[in-house]
Amino acid sequence: GNSVTQMEGPVTLSEEAFLTINCTYTATGYPSLFWYVQYPGEGLQLLLKATKADDKGSNKGFEATYRKETTSFHLEKGSVQVSDSAVYFCALAPHGNNRLAFGKGNQVVVIP
Amino acid sequence: NAGVTQTPKFQVLKTGQSMTLQCAQDMNHEYMSWYRQDPGMGLRLIHYSVGAGITDQGEVPNGYNVSRSTTEDFPLRLLSAAPSQTSVYFCATGVEGTQYFGPGTRLTVL
Repeated sequence: GNSVTQMEGPVTLSEEAFLTINCTYTATGYPSLFWYVQYPGEGLQLLLKATKADDKGSNKGFEATYRKETTSFHLEKGSVQVSDSAVYFCALAPHGNNRLAFGKGNQVVVIP
Repeated sequence: NAGVTQTPKFQVLKTGQSMTLQCAQDMNHEYMSWYRQDPGMGLRLIHYSVGAGITDQGEVPNGYNVSRSTTEDFPLRLLSAAPSQTSVYFCATGVEGTQYFGPGTRLTVL
C-alpha cells in the first residue's frame, strides 16, 4: 500500500537557521507528493507539491525535490523565521487520485 | 468564497450520545473527505466521497456514517459516541491531492 514516513520527533531551531525535514514514501506507480503546513489552531494548507520525478516544488522560501531513485521528498528552507513555527506534513496521492496518505507530521519550533 | 466551513468548532459529548459534524464547501469540487487528527498519528481518513450519492470508507470508518446528497455538503455522523472518538476532525475538498481543509471540529467524548 501507499505510505509516508517522516523523521521522528519535533524540530527546534533558532531564527535564520537552515531547516530540513526528511520524508520518504512507499507507493506503486508514480504518485504526486505534497507538503502541507498546519499553523496553531488551524486546518492544514498546501505548502508545495511536485507531480513527477525531479520536479521541485517551492513556496514561501521552502523547497522540496521529488527524488524517485531514493523515494524521498525532503523539505528545506534556508533561513527560518519565528512565523514558520507550525506542524509540517508530508503526503502522497496516487496519480489521478484524490486520496491522500499522510505522514505523522513534524512540529517545528523556531526560537527568536 | 468561504472555501470549506465546519460546524461546530468545539463539542463535548457523553458516551452513547449521537451528533452530526457539518461540512460545507463552495468550491464546486466533487471530492470531499473527512479526517481525524490524533497526537502522534497524523491524519487518518475516515470516509470520502467522489460525488453526490457516492461515498466510501477510508482507513478508520468504524463508528462513523456519512452521506452526500449535494455537491456542497458532506456531514459526518457519530451514532453512539465513544471516548476513543475524542479527536480533532477535519473536512477537506479538492482535486488530485491538492486539498483544501476546513478549520476543524474539536470533539471530546466523556
